[in-house]
Amino acid sequence: QTVVTQEPSFSVSPGGTVTLTCGLSSGSVSPSYYPSWYQQTPGQAPRTLIYNTNTRSSGVPDRFSGSILGNKAALTITGAQADDESDYYCVLYMGSGIWVFGGGTKLTVL
Amino acid sequence: QVQLQESGPGLVKPSETLSLTCTVSGGSISSYYWSWIRQPPGKGLEWIGQIYYTGNTNYNPSLKSRVTMSLDMSKNQFSLKLNSVTAADTAVYYCATLRLIEDAYWGQGTLVTVSS
Repeated sequence: QTVVTQEPSFSVSPGGTVTLTCGLSSGSVSPSYYPSWYQQTPGQAPRTLIYNTNTRSSGVPDRFSGSILGNKAALTITGAQADDESDYYCVLYMGSGIWVFGGGTKLTVL
Repeated sequence: QVQLQESGPGLVKPSETLSLTCTVSGGSISSYYWSWIRQPPGKGLEWIGQIYYTGNTNYNPSLKSRVTMSLDMSKNQFSLKLNSVTAADTAVYYCATLRLIEDAYWGQGTLVTVSS
C-alpha cells in the first residue's frame, strides 16, 4: 500500500516562512491526487486549510497557501504566528474511492 | 452549512463490535460520499472508509475485513461497524465528507475505548 509521507516535525520562527510537504513512497504527487491540508490542535477536530491543491477554505488567512512543488504537495505558511503551532495533515485521493492521510507534521513556532 | 454529529458507545469490550452513527444536518445524505476517520490517542489520522447514498462503499484495505458501513436515508444517518476490536482500535472516531474539489465537513469526533 502506498504511504503518504510528511515531515514528522518542523520548526519556524515567528514571522518566518515554512513549507511543509506531502509526498508518496512511490511516485509523484500531482493535482490529480486532489491534496488537502488540515490543521489540528489538541482535543479539536481537524480544520480544513486547503483543498484541491491550492483552494483556501472559507475564513483561512491568505498566509496559508497550497501548491505542488516538484513531486510533492506543499503547504506554505508565510509570516508564521504563535497560534500556527499545531499538527498539520495532508490527505491524498488515490483513486477508486480510496483516501490516504499522511502521518502529520508537528509544527513548532519559536 | 452541513453539520455532522457522531454518536455511540464510548466503551467496547475486546472481541466485540464497535458501532457508531453519524447524523447529518443541514444537507441531504443523498449527496456526497460519507467517510469515517479515526485517530488513536497521540497518533495521526487514518481513513477507514466511505459510503455513497447508493450504498456503494470503499474501505481502507488494512481494515476491510472488519468494517461495514451502511446508511439510513430516512434518518439522514450513516453508520460504522468494526468487528473483533482490540485495544489498537481505541481512538477518536470522526465522521466527515472528503470531497475532491470542495471543502470537507467534519464531526467533532467521539472517543471509543476498547477495554474489558
